[in-house]
Amino acid sequence: QVHLVQSGAEVKKPGASVKVSCKASGYPFTAYYIHWVRQAPGQGLEWMGWINPNSGGTNYAQKFQGWVTVTRDTSISTAYMDLSRLTSDDTAVYYCARGDVGMGTDYWGQGTLVTVSS
Amino acid sequence: EIVLTQSPGTLSLSPGERATLSCRTSQSVSSSYLAWFQQKPGQAPRLLIYGASSRATGIPDRFSGSGSGTDFTLTISRLEPEDFAVYYCQQYGSSPLTFGQGTKVEIK
Repeated sequence: QVHLVQSGAEVKKPGASVKVSCKASGYPFTAYYIHWVRQAPGQGLEWMGWINPNSGGTNYAQKFQGWVTVTRDTSISTAYMDLSRLTSDDTAVYYCARGDVGMGTDYWGQGTLVTVSS
Repeated sequence: EIVLTQSPGTLSLSPGERATLSCRTSQSVSSSYLAWFQQKPGQAPRLLIYGASSRATGIPDRFSGSGSGTDFTLTISRLEPEDFAVYYCQQYGSSPLTFGQGTKVEIK
């Protein structure tokens, strides 16, 4: 059974960075991309980028280029999303999701709330 | 970037009624790579439909998707109490992946 389990909620000050983890199980980690999507309070879904766990290659939405870094550790089937220079606008729930070529983002993590507050 | 526009913003219906949700895209979606998600408060999105019309694993057959090109529809044939939620469409055929703004299906 496919599971994506994310790290716990974070509270950060403006200007800080946050690193969210996403541990995959139930499938070969390197066979599927991992996407990151965020959702601000009461708002819709915003795609941030993906990583190919096999090659380590990444692709980011233009808005997040230079600002977000997605990495992975294949030895523990875990992907990471690092967001720097946080502002209050980055307060959101951050989701990881498995990417399948034909099905899109089929399995999602439970979400990680990141709160940015002074 | 492909922009997705969902309508209506809110749909007020009673259990047992039929729900029809629309998603229009600013450009043709490659290979009908259009998905629909259901999201309930405090939960992650749940994949309902992929490839415009294929139901994901475990999704009841009262959910159906149709359409191609730039015009897509999600139909819930008879609303059950657990179906009242927000629904998003997503295109995953080209980068960046994009989502519609959502349609809330609420109890009338």
